[in-house]
Order: sequence, then C-alpha cells, then structure tokens
Amino acid sequence: SAVISQKPSRDICQRGTSLTIQCQVDSQVTMMFWYRQQPGQSLTLIATANQGSEATYESGFVIDKFPISRPNLTFSTLTVSNMSPEDSSIYLCSVEGLAGGPSAYNEQFFGPGTRLTVL
Amino acid sequence: GIQVEQSPPDLILQEGANSTLRCNFSDSVNNLQWFHQNPWGQLINLFYIPSGTKQNGRLSATTVATERYSLLYISSSQTTDSGVYFCAVETAGGTSYGKLTFGQGTILTVHP
Repeated sequence: SAVISQKPSRDICQRGTSLTIQCQVDSQVTMMFWYRQQPGQSLTLIATANQGSEATYESGFVIDKFPISRPNLTFSTLTVSNMSPEDSSIYLCSVEGLAGGPSAYNEQFFGPGTRLTVL
Repeated sequence: GIQVEQSPPDLILQEGANSTLRCNFSDSVNNLQWFHQNPWGQLINLFYIPSGTKQNGRLSATTVATERYSLLYISSSQTTDSGVYFCAVETAGGTSYGKLTFGQGTILTVHP
C-alpha cells in the first residue's frame, strides 16, 4: 500500500478564514479523493481530485467552498474557504490504484486526516 | 444512491468475547471494504472483500454479494479492538468509480 501524509494534522481557525490541506502520496496513484467526517458522523465524499483538470464534486459540495487542486499523480490540496463553525470536521484524503498496478484492484487507502476546529 | 446499513450501532464486550458486525447494502457493488477507525481518527484497512471470505488473525470477513451483505467477525476481542468499524461500498457502474459510500459505523467498546 502507498504511504499517505496530510498537512496540517490539526488546526484551529477563525471563522471567515480559509485553510489549505495538503495530501502527499509516496507513489503515483490513479485516483485521489477528499472526504469529510463531521463530529460523531460517518465519512462523506466531497470530491474526486482529477489530475490536470477540475475536480468532480458530489451533491452538496461546491468548488467555491472547497477548491481542489491535483497538479500531478502524487499530490492534491483541498481548501476550506470562508470557514464557519459548521466546517469543523476531520478532512481525509484517500487514494486508489497504484499506477502500473492491476486495473481491477481498487482498494482505497486513507491518509491520517486533518482535524479542523473553527471558532 | 446506494444505502449502507450497519448493525449493531453500538456493541460493548468483555475482553475475550467474540462478535459479529453486519453490513447490508442496497445495490450491486464493485468494492466493499471494512475499516477500523482508532481513537486518533486514523482509518485502518481491515479487509478489501467485494465477495468471498478472508481471514487475518483474529478477524475474518465474509461478503455474500448476491444477497447484498457482509459480515465482520472479531474473535477473542482485546481492548485495542475498541473504536469504530466502518463498512464502505463502491456501487457497480461507471459513474461511481472509486466513490465509497460509508455506513454509519459500529462503535465497539471492549472492557478489560
């Protein structure tokens, strides 16, 4: 499996500000995703980070609020914009499909998460 | 979209006991994974099991895709097994490629 790191691991932010979360993988992967886990809840997919093109957002999530970049096959960022206390969550990136691996094998692995608190 | 239901929502065990966690899903799937979320929030991969049976130490899992359910067995539970267990599925079909839908989880507490 790939080694996935996220920065920052946690942060406390003021409402109205923005935070950019980085996700780095130690090998090239086909797919990268961003999930949100609100307190006491399950994980919800925010978007698929597409390499070299705009991310694909799930219902209820928009680019203006959660801009995503993926400049290459090992790195992606998620920005949480104009934050409010309701954005307090754990944000996790995940990856699937080591480049060059079997296309039918689509186990997904998660980064350690970024714990965000908005005051 | 696909519905994923996990049961029970909460489970309290004494150390050494066995348990079975269930995951029901409402549509055909390409992928089914079981995760353990530890107290620090890290998601640990337990099984990638779209069908069949797998075992890893004290844990085993079975997915019956035709009947749309999966089971996670934990034997001889230990306090370190405590945490939240999630089932997540990827719906069969091109537009859902890679998109995992998570169940609400089972909160497991193992007392010494």
